[in-house]
Amino acid sequence: DTGVSQDPRHKITKRGQNVTFRCDPISEHNRLYWYRQTLGQGPEFLTYFQNEAQLEKSRLLSDRFSAERPKGSFSTLEIQRTEQGDSAMYLCASSPTRGRAQYFGPGTRLLVL
Amino acid sequence: AQRVTQPEKLLSVFKGAPVELKCNYSYSGSPELFWYVQYSRQRLQLLLRHISRESIKGFTADLNKGETSFHLKKPFAQEEDSAMYYCALSGQDAGGTSYGKLTFGQGTILTVHP
Repeated sequence: DTGVSQDPRHKITKRGQNVTFRCDPISEHNRLYWYRQTLGQGPEFLTYFQNEAQLEKSRLLSDRFSAERPKGSFSTLEIQRTEQGDSAMYLCASSPTRGRAQYFGPGTRLLVL
Repeated sequence: AQRVTQPEKLLSVFKGAPVELKCNYSYSGSPELFWYVQYSRQRLQLLLRHISRESIKGFTADLNKGETSFHLKKPFAQEEDSAMYYCALSGQDAGGTSYGKLTFGQGTILTVHP
């Protein structure tokens, strides 16, 4: 499977714990995006990278959230001191630099108890 | 600011009937519009984009800048078209390079009855 992959697919954690998600994009894609989706809503943009550079961050991305793409390949999204409001599906997508279509991974579903 | 509105959360039609999923957008610059689809238990996938002017699975969508709309249409719906459909927008710079982020509508659940 050469599509976007995400790990883990599901995560249950207790409030106050830290969690980290991983995204592996399609290998030749330079851009990598993170979105969050809550029930009944469309995906909401969080941040994106071109290679290893983080080019844009949404206001939704509070100080508790940090994303990295250290070698321009895979990316991690960490949430510190999780809150119940962080419960959502976290989606990763990738695209070529000048391409416009984004290809999505299966998502990581987070439940904070 | 950019915004995408899909006024119908639910849409039901019978097999063989025409279907139109509405999408309106708000963006001050030159937008690029997409339709994404999510079938049950599958990931979000691109259905079509306005610059391609193509028909995928019998679906078409025309960008109407005057009405700021990008409605998705299919003349004869099939049961396998039942899914969640999202309209999405990306801005572009003067050179035509996408700004990157997609702004999604809330989605429309299409149900095609036999």
